[in-house]
Amino acid sequence: DAGITQSPRHKVTETGTPVTLRCHQTENHRYMYWYRQDPGHGLRLIHYSYGVKDTDKGEVSDGYSVSRSKTEDFLLTLESATSSQTSVYFCAISDRVLDTEAFFGQGTRLTVV
Amino acid sequence: DQQVKQNSPSLSVQEGRISILNCDYTNSMFDYFLWYKKYPAEGPTFLISISSIKDKNEDGRFTVFLNKSAKHLSLHIVPSQPGDSAVYFCAASESGTYKYIFGTGTRLKVLA
Repeated sequence: DAGITQSPRHKVTETGTPVTLRCHQTENHRYMYWYRQDPGHGLRLIHYSYGVKDTDKGEVSDGYSVSRSKTEDFLLTLESATSSQTSVYFCAISDRVLDTEAFFGQGTRLTVV
Repeated sequence: DQQVKQNSPSLSVQEGRISILNCDYTNSMFDYFLWYKKYPAEGPTFLISISSIKDKNEDGRFTVFLNKSAKHLSLHIVPSQPGDSAVYFCAASESGTYKYIFGTGTRLKVLA
């Protein structure tokens, strides 16, 4: 299994509070991604990174920010959590030297009450 | 706008028979396609992929077919086994970008 660790695995937070999810990889892959999974919507890309300090928006980036100060860590921050951000969040990594797949972490279940 | 679509939310198949999962895409620039399998409370795991220079790729019981003119791909599982019961996602990517765009998923149930 690819070395991807997401933390925390579960979190309950209150509306309006900031939340940071962490993704840590030991594969030295250049590309990292944050997705959210919701019923009826599948997996939607929030933000992605193509190198240290290089990030870009995905399909559903509003209300989220990311940072990548080291190759191995990609942080997703909800600046002010809302109930619509209750979801399961997945981090993924990819090498993409050639056509390659992305490897996913185990997910973080976030509940905003 | 959904660039990758899986129009069947669910599919039930008898054990031993063929499962066919379908996926359509709208972006003609996509040139790499993947299928993932997801069990509850786990992350998606890679199953099989295909480059746009091919129209078929096979790996054991799993075969992916690509029809570029129709912007359609399908995953065939033969024979289907109860352990194949999961949610299947198709995904697409475009060379020169760094993104994987996923469909909404199809829940496959293989009946023993």
